Amino acid sequence: QVQLVESGGGVARPGRSLRLSCAVSGFTFSSYGMHWVRQAPGKGLEWVALILFDGSETNYAESVKGRFTISRDNSKNTLYMEMNSLRSEDTAVYYCAKDRHASGRGGMDVWGQGTTVTVSS
Amino acid sequence: QSVLTQPPSASGTPGQRVTISCSGSNSNIYNNYVHWYQQLPGAAPKLLIYRNIQRPSGVPDRFSGSKSGTSASLAISGLRSEDEADYFCSSWDDSLSGPVFGGGTKLTVL
Repeated sequence: QVQLVESGGGVARPGRSLRLSCAVSGFTFSSYGMHWVRQAPGKGLEWVALILFDGSETNYAESVKGRFTISRDNSKNTLYMEMNSLRSEDTAVYYCAKDRHASGRGGMDVWGQGTTVTVSS
Repeated sequence: QSVLTQPPSASGTPGQRVTISCSGSNSNIYNNYVHWYQQLPGAAPKLLIYRNIQRPSGVPDRFSGSKSGTSASLAISGLRSEDEADYFCSSWDDSLSGPVFGGGTKLTVL
């Protein structure tokens, strides 16, 4: 069945880095846009980043632009997010989500279970 | 402060019909589709409505969406206890070049 499994979360000090991964199965990964969405404790959903089906284009929320990098390896069916210069406000559950379209504008129809990132000294 | 505006809470009794509003602007809802997500306690979000009015396979027809101008609504009829959840609207934003979310509405079934 269609499945997204995130990993790589944990505790990091402010200013340090973490790399999240999202392993996908059950669909043709290379045909769809993919997103990272986060949810701070007790808060709503915040879109973080998008990568098109072929990796040719990426977009970021202003809050992470210049610090986070989304990428994908279609040969490994895996989505990544490199998170640098972490701040306390980056503390959240991070979800990877599949878009219904290659463009990333179709709505997110499959979500992973989330991985928790805690930034604290 | 979310780009899309939703009421923080809504409530109803079993069997009732409730609606949740979502207000945006020309750069998002007016020119783009609206999607709705349901997040049950402790779970990941789930796509409930896409392209304003479409239901993914498996979503009951008790859930319906609508859009007019810069606003959208989610209606839930025949309210059930298992509908108690957080509901989020979302739309592409042309200015931000990415999707934006509403702040979420916590639905309580009394």
